[in-house]
Amino acid sequence: DVKVTQSSRYLVKRTGEKVFLECVQDMDHENMFWYRQDPGLGLRLIYFSYDVKMKEKGDIPEGYSVSREKKERFSLILESASTNQTSMYLCASSKARQEAFFGQGTRLTVV
Amino acid sequence: AQRVTQPEKLLSVFKGAPVELKCNYSYSGSPELFWYVQYSRQRLQLLLRHISRESIKGFTADLNKGETSFHLKKPFAQEEDSAMYYCARLPAGGYNKLIFGAGTRLAVHP
Repeated sequence: DVKVTQSSRYLVKRTGEKVFLECVQDMDHENMFWYRQDPGLGLRLIYFSYDVKMKEKGDIPEGYSVSREKKERFSLILESASTNQTSMYLCASSKARQEAFFGQGTRLTVV
Repeated sequence: AQRVTQPEKLLSVFKGAPVELKCNYSYSGSPELFWYVQYSRQRLQLLLRHISRESIKGFTADLNKGETSFHLKKPFAQEEDSAMYYCARLPAGGYNKLIFGAGTRLAVHP
C-alpha cells in the first residue's frame, strides 16, 4: 500500500514562528510536491523537487522554502509564519509523469 | 504560463441526472491531463488520466485538443459522487511540474 505521510494533521503556530512541515514517502518516488489548498483557489503549487537536493519554485513560493536531503523526505519551511499562511498544506509524490499520491494534509493555523 | 481552468466552483444536480465537469487548459503541445477527486475527509486521489482511456466509477473524460478541453462526464450521477473534483496537467515533454485547477464541488442531491 503506497504511503505519503505528513508529520502533523493539525498545527497552531504564532505569527513570526519558524514552522516545519514534514512529508515522507515510502515509494522511492523521484518527484515530491508541496501544495496549499484554499477554498475557491484549488491546489496551488508552492515548491516541487525532482531529485535529492533539487528543487523548483511553484506558483506561490514567497514566504516558503524547502529541503530535500533524502529521497523519501521533503520538508516545507515557513521562515516567519504569517496569518495569511493559514491553510491546508498537501504533500504529494510521484514517479516520472505518473499518478501523484497525496498525504492526508496538515491544517496550519497561524495566530 | 501553463494553466488549468475549471469555470464552475459548484455543480449541483439530482441523483440520476447527467454530470459534466468542465476543464480547459492553456495550449502547450500535448500535455498529460488528469482528474483527481477528494471525498469528504479523505485524501486527494487519482480518478482517471487521459492516456488510459478508462471509465472509472462510471466517469469518462475525453481530451479535445481543438478546444483544449478535458471535461469529465457521467451519464447518471449518484449521491456517492459528491466530492471535490480537480483537473490537473503535466506539461508536454519530460517536465514533471503537476498543476491543478481551482476545483469544482459536485453536490448530488437525492
